[in-house]
Amino acid sequence: DVKVTQSSRYLVKRTGEKVFLECVQDMDHENMFWYRQDPGLGLRLIYFSYDVKMKEKGDIPEGYSVSREKKERFSLILESASTNQTSMYLCASSQQGWAYEQYFGPGTRLTVT
Amino acid sequence: EDQVTQSPEALRLQEGESSSLNCSYTVSGLRGLFWYRQDPGKGPEFLFTLYSAGEEKEKERLKATLTKKESFLHITAPKPEDSATYLCAVLNYGGATNKLIFGTGTLLAVQP
Repeated sequence: DVKVTQSSRYLVKRTGEKVFLECVQDMDHENMFWYRQDPGLGLRLIYFSYDVKMKEKGDIPEGYSVSREKKERFSLILESASTNQTSMYLCASSQQGWAYEQYFGPGTRLTVT
Repeated sequence: EDQVTQSPEALRLQEGESSSLNCSYTVSGLRGLFWYRQDPGKGPEFLFTLYSAGEEKEKERLKATLTKKESFLHITAPKPEDSATYLCAVLNYGGATNKLIFGTGTLLAVQP
């Protein structure tokens, strides 16, 4: 089975703090993704990566950055957390190619106070 | 603009009462349509991929179908453990590799 793990299930941070969310997948997938999920808005893509050290902006990249130094690991960074970044953050991975399904991690519920 | 709309937003069924969830989409060219199940506080769990109109996939009490404009997730004789949010997502030609457009989901509650 594909397994995607995220470093924390719940996280509480203060405004202005730098926040790191980490994601690891064990299926040698080329693609990795970071989404946020908010009620009524669905899943929105923040960033994705199709190879080590490669990244592409998604629909809502403002206020976020990412890092992919190893194939299995994809990190999301909030440089200076703000209250409007309180959300559920979901990491996903998929094989490279035509139209492979994405597999999701359990999510990190981030609260910024 | 590419768009995915799911209906209804919420559905309450009695155990054994079959029904269907709808996912309608407007994209420039469909590459694939995906169904996921999401339990509260957890990440989405992959269910099905459909690639072309007329295709059908089944898994236990769930059956997904696809036309040129919409997909249905049919739930036959549901059980309380089928209660979850069901998400639909599409991947279209011309977009970035594997970039999905998600609907906002249908919250299904099955009462015993």
